[in-house]
Amino acid sequence: KQEVTQIPAALSVPEGENLVLNCSFTDSAIYNLQWFRQDPGKGLTSLLLIQSSQREQTSGRLNASLDKSSGRSTLYIAASQPGDSATYLCAVPQAAGNKLTFGGGTRVLVKP
Amino acid sequence: GAVVSQHPSWVICKSGTSVKIECRSLDFQATTMFWYRQFPKQSLMLMATSNEGSKATYEQGVEKDKFLINHASLTLSTLTVTSAHPEDSSFYICSARDDQGTIYFGEGSWLTVV
Repeated sequence: KQEVTQIPAALSVPEGENLVLNCSFTDSAIYNLQWFRQDPGKGLTSLLLIQSSQREQTSGRLNASLDKSSGRSTLYIAASQPGDSATYLCAVPQAAGNKLTFGGGTRVLVKP
Repeated sequence: GAVVSQHPSWVICKSGTSVKIECRSLDFQATTMFWYRQFPKQSLMLMATSNEGSKATYEQGVEKDKFLINHASLTLSTLTVTSAHPEDSSFYICSARDDQGTIYFGEGSWLTVV
């Protein structure tokens, strides 16, 4: 059974610092890996999706890397802003269809 | 872009009553929808997979008689929490998969049982 872990569980940084969020998964036979953002009390916003054949994806200040062999993905957020404060979740689909297994999330606070 | 709408966003119900949450794909057809629940400060847990025109597939530990899922059309799935109790209070999120395999999430529904 796939297990997804995110470390750290919480992170607080001053504005302008780069953020590094880690995601690890136990079964390396994944189809893709997705990073989401969740604001308090809200649904999910998809940030980046990395296909299993890709090593990284970039969107603006966000960059996500994927190392299937080691079962890891890292989300980098450059030059953090207070608006980046949220919970970031990574998820991988289970073998049958697109049921996603989520990590526990990393709660990020960017202080102005 | 594709949108998934959930209704209601917030609902408060009395213990012992039933409450229905709707999940609609607004501009695409979704043969498969997923229902998740999320307790405070915890991650999302998959409850069930809803397939249009057939019975939902529930994850281990989820009571199918308590959480009734109906996927009667290609754009609508409903989750009914029957005989709700305070421990059912949670954030419920649905997602829908389009024919390209892309998944879109709804905004979620807060259920409070008093």
